[in-house]
Amino acid sequence: LAKTTQPISMDSYEGQEVNITCSHNNIATNDYITWYQQFPSQGPRFIIQGYKTKVTNEVASLFIPADRKSSTLSLPRVSLSDTAVYYCLVEYNQGGKLIFGQGTELSVKP
Amino acid sequence: GAVVSQHPSRVICKSGTSVKIECRSLDFQATTMFWYRQFPKQSLMLMATSNEGSKATYEQGVEKDKFLINHASLTLSTLTVTSAHPEDSSFYICSARRGGSGELFFGEGSRLTVL
Repeated sequence: LAKTTQPISMDSYEGQEVNITCSHNNIATNDYITWYQQFPSQGPRFIIQGYKTKVTNEVASLFIPADRKSSTLSLPRVSLSDTAVYYCLVEYNQGGKLIFGQGTELSVKP
Repeated sequence: GAVVSQHPSRVICKSGTSVKIECRSLDFQATTMFWYRQFPKQSLMLMATSNEGSKATYEQGVEKDKFLINHASLTLSTLTVTSAHPEDSSFYICSARRGGSGELFFGEGSRLTVL
């Protein structure tokens, strides 16, 4: 299973765009990149998943360069409610178990 | 609404007793469910993979006799913490995948406190 590395914490202000980068140097051909959000005392919540290039949904964008050794989660115009821990995971063929890394604790300030 | 539900959300028990936590997939069948444990300010740690109709697969370092997992139906997996001790106090989270390779949904988590 590919190991992921991401910053432990990040600070931002309301209305700003936040980009969280994750490295996954040993990602395999059939691996997908998935991001989850977790609030305190809650289970993680799916944000976005991608394989290559760019994926966008109603809450975030995911940028994946051609070599796929890293990915960047982009949150547009964050609000206080986006304060949470964000996890980057590599998922084999969209199946199987998920191993969580350390996660990035995002703090959004007014 | 939630598609994976856990019960109870909070439980307090005395040391030496056993506690059962249920994980249900509400609107889909899940042949595989996953159990995680999370200590304060730490990431989720995968404990085991629960397989319907067969034995669970435990991660290295997780005692299978202490954390009993039963996946008796396609919508229910249970985790029983046997002879609980204060160090077992943690946040336990289950997850299930809709379909063989679909999105993975997580339960709301169960906070166990062992006195």
